[in-house]
Amino acid sequence: DVKVTQSSRYLVKRTGEKVFLECVQDMDHENMFWYRQDPGLGLRLIYFSYDVKMKEKGDIPEGYSVSREKKERFSLILESASTNQTSMYLCASRGTPFYEQYFGPGTRLTVT
Amino acid sequence: KQEVTQIPAALSVPEGENLVLNCSFTDSAIYNLQWFRQDPGKGLTSLLLIQSSQREQTSGRLNASLDKSSGRSTLYIAASQPGDSATYLCAVTGGSQGNLIFGKGTKLSVKP
Repeated sequence: DVKVTQSSRYLVKRTGEKVFLECVQDMDHENMFWYRQDPGLGLRLIYFSYDVKMKEKGDIPEGYSVSREKKERFSLILESASTNQTSMYLCASRGTPFYEQYFGPGTRLTVT
Repeated sequence: KQEVTQIPAALSVPEGENLVLNCSFTDSAIYNLQWFRQDPGKGLTSLLLIQSSQREQTSGRLNASLDKSSGRSTLYIAASQPGDSATYLCAVTGGSQGNLIFGKGTKLSVKP
């Protein structure tokens, strides 16, 4: 079974803190994704990566950055957390556009 | 720009009923369509993937159909159970980067 794991299920941070969300997949997938999910807005793509050290902006990249130093790991970074970044963050991975996308369990981030 | 719509937003049925969830998309140039299930506060679980060349896929009590020309997909759930209660999301893969575009989901409640 494909496994996508996220470093934390729940996280509480203060405004202005630097926040790291980690995602690891065990299927040697080339593609990895970070989404945020908010009530009424659905899932929105923040960043994605096609390969190690490669990254592409999604629909809402402002306030976020990413890092992919190893194929299995994709990190989302909030340089200076703000209250409007309180959300559910979901990581996903996929082999190619023709294959299934698999999601991690999510990280519920609260910024106070 | 691809848009994915799911109607209804919420559905409540008695246990044992057969039901259909609907998904429509505006651009028929898709690689595939994927149905997901999401339990409250959790990540997404992939249910079925239909490639653009396929008409339907089945898994247990679930059957998903795809009509690319009309921009529609349906998820049929047979003999519904309370454990089927969740939010069901459909997503299409398309565009130049082959990323998933999600609908906002249908929240299903199956009453015992």
